[in-house]
Amino acid sequence: GAVVSQHPSRVICKSGTSVKIECRSLDFQATTMFWYRQFPKKSLMLMATSNEGSKATYEQGVEKDKFLINHASLTLSTLTVTSAHPEDSSFYICSARGTSGGRTDTQYFGPGTRLTVL
Amino acid sequence: LAKTTQPISMDSYEGQEVNITCSHNNIATNDYITWYQQFPSQGPRFIIQGYKTKVTNEVASLFIPADRKSSTLSLPRVSLSDTAVYYCLVGDTGGGNKLTFGTGTQLKVEL
Repeated sequence: GAVVSQHPSRVICKSGTSVKIECRSLDFQATTMFWYRQFPKKSLMLMATSNEGSKATYEQGVEKDKFLINHASLTLSTLTVTSAHPEDSSFYICSARGTSGGRTDTQYFGPGTRLTVL
Repeated sequence: LAKTTQPISMDSYEGQEVNITCSHNNIATNDYITWYQQFPSQGPRFIIQGYKTKVTNEVASLFIPADRKSSTLSLPRVSLSDTAVYYCLVGDTGGGNKLTFGTGTQLKVEL
């Protein structure tokens, strides 16, 4: 099946620093990738949609200057949390839309990245 | 984006069949129905996807009535390891295919 990886799996940083999270589709090409965040005991919230070679589309209420998204290739998208603060601590999950087993337009999710800002 | 409604939680015992029903009254013509499973501190895992009637794979079955306003995920003979949150989502097959996550159903399987 389609595999999506994320790196790092967890990161702890000091307040004010920037953190980059990578999302890779390992065995398929993903023209579209999505970034979500999830707080404890809550559902996933879509942050932005990223298309290869173009600017990301952010959901309402998500600051594009704080959460920088780059989708430079068909297999890699990055999320950079700039000037992170404790309230940015969360579980960040990416997904990639691709074709697997003849099925199109299915989203496959990465394992997530736990960000803790001290 | 079609909104989905699922039970918040369900309890079952090992070896039983579990059926989780999801309502999506305003599903659009192009929308597919997809179910995901999520364990704590992990990303959602794809379970099954369908458009109409019945779909079956090695882990589950998905039943979709003719009006497509609801769907039922069926898990045969659950085990303790099936304890997880199950999400039902609907989304179109074209465009950005954005998926909106609802509350999901917390399934707890006991001995």
